[in-house]
Amino acid sequence: QKEVEQNSGPLSVPEGAIASLNCTYSDRGSQSFFWYRQYSGKSPELIMSIYSNGDKEDGRFTAQLNKASQYVSLLIRDSQPSDSATYLCAVTHSGGYNKLIFGAGTRLAVHP
Amino acid sequence: ETGVTQTPRHLVMGMTNKKSLKCEQHLGHNAMYWYKQSAKKPLELMFVYNFKEQTENNSVPSRFSPECPNSSHLFLHLHTLQPEDSALYLCASSRPGSSDGSYNSPLHFGNGTRLTVT
Repeated sequence: QKEVEQNSGPLSVPEGAIASLNCTYSDRGSQSFFWYRQYSGKSPELIMSIYSNGDKEDGRFTAQLNKASQYVSLLIRDSQPSDSATYLCAVTHSGGYNKLIFGAGTRLAVHP
Repeated sequence: ETGVTQTPRHLVMGMTNKKSLKCEQHLGHNAMYWYKQSAKKPLELMFVYNFKEQTENNSVPSRFSPECPNSSHLFLHLHTLQPEDSALYLCASSRPGSSDGSYNSPLHFGNGTRLTVT
């Protein structure tokens, strides 16, 4: 079982729609969770961090965490073509010191 | 200069060469990381340094040798690499998390070094 699993996509959504990206993880002891966006040929940039169960909103982005189900998601409201990128889920490994494990990413395509 | 800076941006080396990748952070962080990103694979954690001490070596072959002289600088020394080592090498930094893994600060990435081994 992979430590952090994401659907590779592509996830295709029309402009203005809500994009829903999902991530599951295997380490029940994980406590810190992050979503990064990576444009082709660029390095990952942080979108959201979430540490507690529930929802966290920042502008058009909402992160949702359910530790009991070992599931974290990212919602992007009013999707724009500029949101087209690969979204990486990252989860801390409970057995390490600053050990952050990434999923393979979901490619999102927002079409006009 | 701000953020995390990596040099060189691109590197082509032969299998018998020795080269080094450099990373410098200007964020006042105390944790630094090397990740490898190959095509169609997840980001692979290679090494973690906390307060200049190596705290994670993710079973990385000895042909990769990291060095962290202080909290602002991180190097990756390369020697006798293989073609399959061709990848994007990303450096990152963060504030210190907790040593028991219960809390992590977000990572800030540099622009990466695109390495090609011929």
